[in-house]
Amino acid sequence: EAGVTQFPSHSVIEKGQTVTLRCDPISGHDNLYWYRRVMGKEIKFLLHFVKESKQDESGMPNNRFLAERTGGTYSTLKVQPAELEDSGVYFCASSQRPEWGYTFGSGTRLTVV
Amino acid sequence: GNSVTQMEGPVTLSEEAFLTINCTYTATGYPSLFWYVQYPGEGLQLLLKATKADDKGSNKGFEATYRKETTSFHLEKGSVQVSDSAVYFCALGLSGGYNKLIFGAGTRLAVHP
Repeated sequence: EAGVTQFPSHSVIEKGQTVTLRCDPISGHDNLYWYRRVMGKEIKFLLHFVKESKQDESGMPNNRFLAERTGGTYSTLKVQPAELEDSGVYFCASSQRPEWGYTFGSGTRLTVV
Repeated sequence: GNSVTQMEGPVTLSEEAFLTINCTYTATGYPSLFWYVQYPGEGLQLLLKATKADDKGSNKGFEATYRKETTSFHLEKGSVQVSDSAVYFCALGLSGGYNKLIFGAGTRLAVHP
């Protein structure tokens, strides 16, 4: 089966610009998650979708971040406007049974300059 | 609160050496425990997991035992290879139906021939 696909793999943008990250989960996985790793620190939870509904968005840092999951399929994470501290690697993951673990994508490395 | 603490890296070993990466956790309830691995240039991969106390997860020669009494989930391998060089993340998944993973900071392992 195809894995979790994320694109772009890298993005370099200027402070104040907008960037949209995309994640295509494994087909049939109702659960989709966004995580990010900033500056080599812990990987931190951002939010969790079950199908098209946001189940938990407690990790979203502020209202500059907007996540959507159209029709319960792919998801986008938009950062607008981007700030320097948003730089990091953004991971998407999907799962059918969360307690068994997730399948992660390769991540999008975002650099804000 | 819920947290994961990993030994700081980097860990540098010679090929065929014994590996231990310590991981301890603090959590309410009965979490599931995971080790994820990130090889250079790739995304996170689930290495092994344990869902209840005294369970042993194993994969690719790696093992970890869920020790509730010491709140630990140390990763071990008897004989490491150069190809094991990667960053290893310990994580816990909270119980309650809708999991989100809480990660440690990651431990970089470098294995030399």
